[in-house]
Amino acid sequence: GAGVSQSPRYKVAKRGQDVALRCDPISGHVSLFWYQQALGQGPEFLTYFQNEAQLDKSGLPSDRFFAERPEGSVSTLKIQRTQQEDSAVYLCASSLYRVIDQPQHFGDGTRLSIL
Amino acid sequence: ILNVEQSPQSLHVQEGDSTNFTCSFPSSNFYALHWYRWETAKSPEALFVMTLNGDEKKKGRISATLNTKEGYSYLYIKGSQPEDSATYLCAFLNTGNQFYFGTGTSLTVIP
Repeated sequence: GAGVSQSPRYKVAKRGQDVALRCDPISGHVSLFWYQQALGQGPEFLTYFQNEAQLDKSGLPSDRFFAERPEGSVSTLKIQRTQQEDSAVYLCASSLYRVIDQPQHFGDGTRLSIL
Repeated sequence: ILNVEQSPQSLHVQEGDSTNFTCSFPSSNFYALHWYRWETAKSPEALFVMTLNGDEKKKGRISATLNTKEGYSYLYIKGSQPEDSATYLCAFLNTGNQFYFGTGTSLTVIP
């Protein structure tokens, strides 16, 4: 299919390890979003890319979180020195250029568990 | 912190009943309001994108209305079916292109 693809689906890491989560957006989608969803909560905005430019990273909870999209397609969310509170589902979504009137298309998410 | 609130948090209805739930959002800096349907073990699926005050959108048995002046949107489901069981999320997009999601309304339709 041509949907948003995220990998891995599940990731277990020990506290203090670094992790990298990948998102393959729909081909041609300019906008890409990362969200963090804690249990029982709605998705919370982390960061937003338009092509390779990271236009908003105000939602990243700390400087341990870093996202990139170097060629304007695939994006990686990296979390350094993971903590238990980083355990969550990380969702990636992409949309066509005009986010105002275009829906987001979500991947299945990566469920991250920090032991 | 910007609050997007959805109510009720969860809802159980009998098959065939009609139902509705609410999304409340700030009335300032409004850009768009999105509704998504999220079934267990799947990714959220877009239902509606609404941008204008007074907008009404319809897709089959599901419809939505938008009031940007008072900051709310209603989602209606007519004649609920078991396959409508899902979490319904709304997302407010402000003029800074930032999305804020509600915590969702979990709907269970009992056959």
